[in-house]
Amino acid sequence: GENVEQHPSTLSVQEGDSAVIKCTYSDSASNYFPWYKQELGKRPQLIIDIRSNVGEKKDQRIAVTLNKTAKHFSLHITETQPEDSAVYFCAASNGGSQGNLIFGKGTKLSVKP
Amino acid sequence: DAGVIQSPRHEVTEMGQEVTLRCKPISGHDYLFWYRQTMMRGLELLIYFNNNVPIDDSGMPEDRFSAKMPNASFSTLKIQPSEPRDSAVYFCASSLKGQHSPLHFGNGTRLTVT
Repeated sequence: GENVEQHPSTLSVQEGDSAVIKCTYSDSASNYFPWYKQELGKRPQLIIDIRSNVGEKKDQRIAVTLNKTAKHFSLHITETQPEDSAVYFCAASNGGSQGNLIFGKGTKLSVKP
Repeated sequence: DAGVIQSPRHEVTEMGQEVTLRCKPISGHDYLFWYRQTMMRGLELLIYFNNNVPIDDSGMPEDRFSAKMPNASFSTLKIQPSEPRDSAVYFCASSLKGQHSPLHFGNGTRLTVT
């Protein structure tokens, strides 16, 4: 089955700096890669997703890149703000009947003012 | 739409008691998921339904856990008997097109078993 590794587990940056979170996956058939943000005590919420037919997707200060050959994908946050502080989860799914969405263990991002 | 609604928000119970968690998915979403979140194991899929039918329950820890979806607008997750190791946050989520589309999570139920 799919296995998703996420690094780092914690990340601290200064406000205005960029943050990068990386994930690797094991199932080469995986083709859907969402990222969820979970603020303290709240529910996970989708912030961006990418499918395997594209290599990069951007939404304002957030971008995700996908390298299918190396089986890794990354979340990039530019011009970080204190409200970006949260736990970020990557996930991967092959969408098939046995293709459950598998989540990484999460990265706790702290943005210091 | 009010989003996915879960109840209760918090549940504290003693070991051996029955616990029932409830979920109302977003109207029109055909898929409903139950997840468990702990520090040690992260987000784990317990079971999911498509059109009220359980599709994959391989994540259910053991026979003490059961889930039902009697209609398109309601699902329950039951633990009987509960144990301290069941303490976690339980999330319900729904989606339009399964796990290959955005999941909409409820606010979760924080379960504490003493």
